[in-house]
Amino acid sequence: DGGITQSPKYLFRKEGQNVTLSCEQNLNHDAMYWYRQDPGQGLRLIYYSQIVNDFQKGDIAEGYSVSREKKESFPLTVTSAQKNPTAFYLCASSPGGLAADTQYFGPGTRLTVL
Amino acid sequence: RKEVEQDPGPFNVPEGATVAFNCTYSNSASQSFFWYRQDCRKEPKLLMSVYSSGNEDGRFTAQLNRASQYISLLIRDSKLSDSATYLCVVRPSYGNKLVFGAGTILRVKS
Repeated sequence: DGGITQSPKYLFRKEGQNVTLSCEQNLNHDAMYWYRQDPGQGLRLIYYSQIVNDFQKGDIAEGYSVSREKKESFPLTVTSAQKNPTAFYLCASSPGGLAADTQYFGPGTRLTVL
Repeated sequence: RKEVEQDPGPFNVPEGATVAFNCTYSNSASQSFFWYRQDCRKEPKLLMSVYSSGNEDGRFTAQLNRASQYISLLIRDSKLSDSATYLCVVRPSYGNKLVFGAGTILRVKS
């Protein structure tokens, strides 16, 4: 089945620890995105990548880092510098780059900082 | 002012009812408009794009009013399975990234 997978589904972290969220897609899409969703707010763009080995900051990149070494993988690291990391993290991909109309989302990872 | 604003609801309606949501956007040069659906604790999924001429998909009708800068979603003959959060999504002219509204909660009750 083609799609986007994210792991783990739930993640608990102690304050001061870095944690990496996985995102893999087998849709052969060029562009991949990371969003954060908080209650009562719209999805906010953290980072995006339009091509392998290239990525750009979104609206709320502080405290996060990414890599894009392979087309199908776009992991997100939440560092200890992120002040309020507890949130629902969504990875998405789209064909044709940033201007593509449709984005396909993974099932998300719920991160809780204890 | 937020780039995309929606009434958070919840809209509580009986099965079979017709319900409409509006969404306003601030950038008059915005190019593309969409409605996504998000079930509780799940990922968003594209429901439909919104075209200038309006478009319909079964029980769902989307309209765009550029002069007043709002888009609407009309759901006829509501089903229990329509219960979800509906996200209004806009592509502003700059940057080509999507901007998501916070969503409108719909609850359809039997």
